[in-house]
Amino acid sequence: AQSVTQLGSHVSVSEGALVLLRCNYSSSVPPYLFWYVQYPNQGLQLLLKYTTGATLVKGINGFEAEFKKSETSFHLTKPSAHMSDAAEYFCAVRMDTGRRALTFGSGTRLQVQP
Amino acid sequence: NAGVTQTPKFQVLKTGQSMTLQCAQDMNHNSMYWYRQDPGMGLRLIYYSASEGTTDKGEVPNGYNVSRLNKREFSLRLESAAPSQTSVYFCASSVGAGSEKLFFGSGTQLSVL
Repeated sequence: AQSVTQLGSHVSVSEGALVLLRCNYSSSVPPYLFWYVQYPNQGLQLLLKYTTGATLVKGINGFEAEFKKSETSFHLTKPSAHMSDAAEYFCAVRMDTGRRALTFGSGTRLQVQP
Repeated sequence: NAGVTQTPKFQVLKTGQSMTLQCAQDMNHNSMYWYRQDPGMGLRLIYYSASEGTTDKGEVPNGYNVSRLNKREFSLRLESAAPSQTSVYFCASSVGAGSEKLFFGSGTQLSVL
């Protein structure tokens, strides 16, 4: 079975600082990996995805993530945080076989301090 | 462009009452999903429908039933609500079961007293 672990339920950074949100997955087969963002009182929106090919993927709003198979990780980064980045971020995984629905991590709430 | 529409947005139930959460999408998507979101637990899949006419259990199906009424609509029913079902419920849709992008509704906040 696949699973996703997000380290740190809350992360606080200063505006302009590096954002690093951690995600590790467990899977017996190559996974498809995703980051979704949820702004207050809204549904989730896709931020970026990794399926195959280039391991460094770029998403919207300056975010990027790198798939590292040896570390089973898919950490989300942004070089310089903006106040508007404050939200909850979810890592998700999907297999190419079996139940083809996303499994989400528990989420990381990002706070950006002025 | 409505996307995924959920009703109601808020609901308070007493233990043992029943209700149906409605979800409709106007994007001609084949697959639809119901998730619940609880603090510290992320989103957990309740049921999904890979295509019209099919439904399958997710991680936490107990206490729920679903109906894929047609391609547009996918409802979630609580037959006898319990306090453990207090949660925020999200409906989502995607082009197909293997699609990479889910489109989410804005959620239903349900409290069971």
